[in-house]
Amino acid sequence: DAGVTQSPTHLIKTRGQHVTLRCSPISGHKSVSWYQQVLGQGPQFIFQYYEKEERGRGNFPDRFSARQFPNYSSELNVNALLLGDSALYLCASSSERLNTEAFFGQGTRLTVV
Amino acid sequence: AQSVTQLGSHVSVSEGALVLLRCNYSSSVPPYLFWYVQYPNQGLQLLLKYTSAATLVKGINGFEAEFKKSETSFHLTKPSAHMSDAAEYFCAVSVNTGGFKTIFGAGTRLFVKA
Repeated sequence: DAGVTQSPTHLIKTRGQHVTLRCSPISGHKSVSWYQQVLGQGPQFIFQYYEKEERGRGNFPDRFSARQFPNYSSELNVNALLLGDSALYLCASSSERLNTEAFFGQGTRLTVV
Repeated sequence: AQSVTQLGSHVSVSEGALVLLRCNYSSSVPPYLFWYVQYPNQGLQLLLKYTSAATLVKGINGFEAEFKKSETSFHLTKPSAHMSDAAEYFCAVSVNTGGFKTIFGAGTRLFVKA
């Protein structure tokens, strides 16, 4: 069975640009969460979507947005990129709304130059 | 507000020795608690979780953790360290307070000496 897949695996963008990161959850999982992990730190919660509705939001600026599609895949969008947005972006899926067992993808390494 | 504190950013043990990684949490509502492991250049893998059932939770690879409400702690232990246990470990708390959120600690890097 395929696990959580994220694309692309690596990405380099310039300050001010926009980026879209993609996540496909495990088949049958309806919940997708996004996290930002800056080097040397723990993951920071960005969003959770369940059944295509936003169910949780972390302390991130409005430049960050996300959505979930009918097939439960998800996109994370970041506008007006800053150097500080450079991080590993992790996606996690679970079959339950309360995320009692989340499965993580390998992440997308975003570098902003 | 919820928070997680992991005591010690780095822990070093000898192979075969006890592993103890400390985690304290703060939550205004009953929490779900997790330990994850992250190997270099990889995502996070769930080691174990506490969801208000038994307070002593057994996970994969011989790890276990005990939920102590009075101490607001959820420390991770393993009786005998193996070289393959060297990795970054994260404690996390999840709560639903009208909106779902998971908070991770800053992580503890475990080194295992031969």
